Amino acid sequence: EVQLVESGGGLVKPGGSLRLSCAASGFTFSSYSMNWVRQAPGKGLEWVSSISSSSSYIYYADSVKGRFTISRDNAKNSLYLQMNSLRAEDTAVYYCARAVAAVDNYYYYMDVWGKGTTVTVSS
Amino acid sequence: QSVLTQPPSASGTPGQRVTISCSGSSSNIGSNTVNWYQQLPGTAPKLLIYSNNQRPSGVPDRFSGSKSGTSASLAISGLQSEDEADYYCAAWDDSLNGGVFGGGTKLTVL
Repeated sequence: EVQLVESGGGLVKPGGSLRLSCAASGFTFSSYSMNWVRQAPGKGLEWVSSISSSSSYIYYADSVKGRFTISRDNAKNSLYLQMNSLRAEDTAVYYCARAVAAVDNYYYYMDVWGKGTTVTVSS
Repeated sequence: QSVLTQPPSASGTPGQRVTISCSGSSSNIGSNTVNWYQQLPGTAPKLLIYSNNQRPSGVPDRFSGSKSGTSASLAISGLQSEDEADYYCAAWDDSLNGGVFGGGTKLTVL
């Protein structure tokens, strides 16, 4: 069964750091681009970051650029999100999602999603 | 403020056909394909339509998508109570170099 399982969420103070992980199973992880998407309480979906299959291409939303770092370990079938300088507005459920993408991203869709992990930034 | 614009709400009665619009720009919908995601209450999003009008395996043909210029739409025919959910359009944005979502449309089945 194709599956993504996020972990690492929790309560952190403003200015603090957290590292999210996403464990993939049931598919050839190294063949797919991966993403982090978040959803603040009662709000819509927000794309956060993506990383290509070989880590050659990495993209970030302006809202997290310079504070978050996406990475992957294909040998461990795992995706990560290092989050530093956290703010209250980073409070959200963070989803890991597999992407199917063209080389130029002409088509780019997320076909497998995890259940999410909750990050709360509060003093 | 989302890059893609959707109506915040839509509604219909069982059996009806409803459509949800999504408006973007030349750098996203105008250049790339559009996807739609369904999020049932308390669950993770699920891919509903990809590449403008393609349905993943298991998605009923009551759901259809279309795109014209910088706009797209999702149509749901034969509305059912289990279709009550939030629907999001999405695309890649070449100017922002990232994914963009609409603000979401909450569909109510009356």
